[in-house]
Amino acid sequence: NAGVTQTPKFQVLKTGQSMTLQCAQDMNHEYMSWYRQDPGMGLRLIHYSVGAGITDQGEVPNGYNVSRSTTEDFPLRLLSAAPSQTSVYFCASSYLAGVSSYEQYFGPGTRLTVT
Amino acid sequence: AQTVTQSQPEMSVQEAETVTLSCTYDTSENNYYLFWYKQPPSRQMILVIRQEAYKQQNATENRFSVNFQKAAKSFSLKISDSQLGDTAMYFCAFMKRLGTSGSRLTFGEGTQLTVNP
Repeated sequence: NAGVTQTPKFQVLKTGQSMTLQCAQDMNHEYMSWYRQDPGMGLRLIHYSVGAGITDQGEVPNGYNVSRSTTEDFPLRLLSAAPSQTSVYFCASSYLAGVSSYEQYFGPGTRLTVT
Repeated sequence: AQTVTQSQPEMSVQEAETVTLSCTYDTSENNYYLFWYKQPPSRQMILVIRQEAYKQQNATENRFSVNFQKAAKSFSLKISDSQLGDTAMYFCAFMKRLGTSGSRLTFGEGTQLTVNP
């Protein structure tokens, strides 16, 4: 199992550009989520999904879109990047129910800089 | 909404000694999980230890143990026999289970731990 993979690892964007951060998992997890990590603020939930075709907003959803067409993939889209979106982005997945559903598996992160 | 507070932005400890990282949280929930995650310079988030709120016994994983005080909403992490590889950012996290809607992880601000040789 590759676990949770994220691409790219690093990205630099200019203000106003768009891009998609990719996230994939091969563990057949129903639940997938995106977090951003900023200095002194821990990780904050952006969007999440409990299955294909179902997404919802987290704590800081503004400026981001998501979709989930398959169980495996959960891309995060920035439609018009802003410097405030400079951050490290983590994707995570887990089972929705069961004894091990407490455990979130995190990807390696994507460091995004918007100039 | 839940909040998690780590009041120690940075800590340091000598190799082989013991260190305790503090965490407090605020919630009106009765059933939840608490976690400590480790984030080394590689950025990978690594689960260190978890505690189910309904369990009175403190969780232990090798050199890592917690002091869970439910009434005080306190959840500290003790690292015994500190090793250089323990140098990392440590995050305390609260998880609320939402059934078919998944779960919510709320993180603290983090404590940067440095183990000195």
